[in-house]
Amino acid sequence: QKEVEQDPGPLSVPEGAIVSLNCTYSNSAFQYFMWYRQYSRKGPELLMYTYSSGNKEDGRFTAQVDKSSKYISLFIRDSQPSDSATYLCAMTSGAGSYQLTFGKGTKLSVIP
Amino acid sequence: NAGVTQTPKFRILKIGQSMTLQCTQDMNHNYMYWYRQDPGMGLKLIYYSVGAGITDKGEVPNGYNVSRSTTEDFPLRLELAAPSQTSVYFCASSFGQGREKLFFGSGTQLSVL
Repeated sequence: QKEVEQDPGPLSVPEGAIVSLNCTYSNSAFQYFMWYRQYSRKGPELLMYTYSSGNKEDGRFTAQVDKSSKYISLFIRDSQPSDSATYLCAMTSGAGSYQLTFGKGTKLSVIP
Repeated sequence: NAGVTQTPKFRILKIGQSMTLQCTQDMNHNYMYWYRQDPGMGLKLIYYSVGAGITDKGEVPNGYNVSRSTTEDFPLRLELAAPSQTSVYFCASSFGQGREKLFFGSGTQLSVL
């Protein structure tokens, strides 16, 4: 079993739809969970950052962590064409670890 | 501020050639990283540095070398380039307590033919 699993998509939705992106993981030591957004031919940029379990909301974006199920989600409300990008989940145990474990990314297209 | 700057943006190498990918950051971050990203794969850590003069191997270090003589610069050296090193390379930096929050450069697309 891979450490982090993420459906690569592609995922295509109409403008205004609610988008749900997900990752599962196997390492119970992971404590810090992140979502990065990567536009074509650009570097990833940090979108959401969550420590431990729970929800975090930032504008149209909500990050959700369920450590008991080893499952994290990113919800995008009222999706816009500008949200079209690849979304990468990432996680780490912290505690001296300098290495993030990334998912393979989900490519999202929001159609006007 | 420019953030993390990588040069060159594109490069084609012949098998066996060597080159250095440049990375500089102006945010005074103490942590710096090199990742590679292959199509359909997640980012893989090549090397990282926790400060000037200190470097360590990541998940896929073979065929690469790094140095960190200053806080700002973290060059990645490819010796004897091989087709397996065809990839997009990203440099990143982070700081202190929030070291998990990486700031990435725009990448270098490298082809080895």
